[in-house]
Amino acid sequence: NAGVTQTPKFRVLKTGQSMTLLCAQDMNHEYMYWYRQDPGMGLRLIHYSVGEGTTAKGEVPDGYNVSRLKKQNFLLGLESAAPSQTSVYFCASSYTPIDLLAGGPGNEQFFGPGTRLTVL
Amino acid sequence: AQSVTQLGSHVSVSEGALVLLRCNYSSSVPPYLFWYVQYPNQGLQLLLKYTTGATLVKGINGFEAEFKKSETSFHLTKPSAHMSDAAEYFCAVSGTGNQFYFGTGTSLTVIP
Repeated sequence: NAGVTQTPKFRVLKTGQSMTLLCAQDMNHEYMYWYRQDPGMGLRLIHYSVGEGTTAKGEVPDGYNVSRLKKQNFLLGLESAAPSQTSVYFCASSYTPIDLLAGGPGNEQFFGPGTRLTVL
Repeated sequence: AQSVTQLGSHVSVSEGALVLLRCNYSSSVPPYLFWYVQYPNQGLQLLLKYTTGATLVKGINGFEAEFKKSETSFHLTKPSAHMSDAAEYFCAVSGTGNQFYFGTGTSLTVIP
């Protein structure tokens, strides 16, 4: 199993450009998440999804959009990039609480390797 | 609501010394607690987790953590630091809804 993969690994954008980050998981997880990591601020949740076709806002959703058209993929879009969006972006996926209650492996999150984005 | 506080953004220990990384949480529901490690330029990797049952949890690489409800703490320890332990460590709490709340991280430096 590849686990959670992210593309691209690195990207440099100019202010105002758009791009899409792709996250894919092969563990059949229902839940998927996008975080951004900034120095001294830990990980902050941007958006998340509790299943195919569903999305929800996290702590810092402004300037980002997401889509979950397929269960295994979770896309993060930046329509008009700003320097404040320079960050490292992590995707994660997890089992559902139902799996936990049913004696499953627990709702730990599995992380991708990250995408380092610079907006000039 | 849940939140996590990690005391000390930077911790330095000598090789072979005790590692103690502090984590306090707040949660309105019985928490699930996690420690993750992040090596340079990599994603986060689960070290250990507490869901239910035994309050002393053992993880990978010789780390362990103890859930203390009365102190709302979940401190991470390792008896003897190794150079390879140098990394960023994140404490996280999860409650209902499967959202995770991460601390701001503690950078561990191991001095030879």
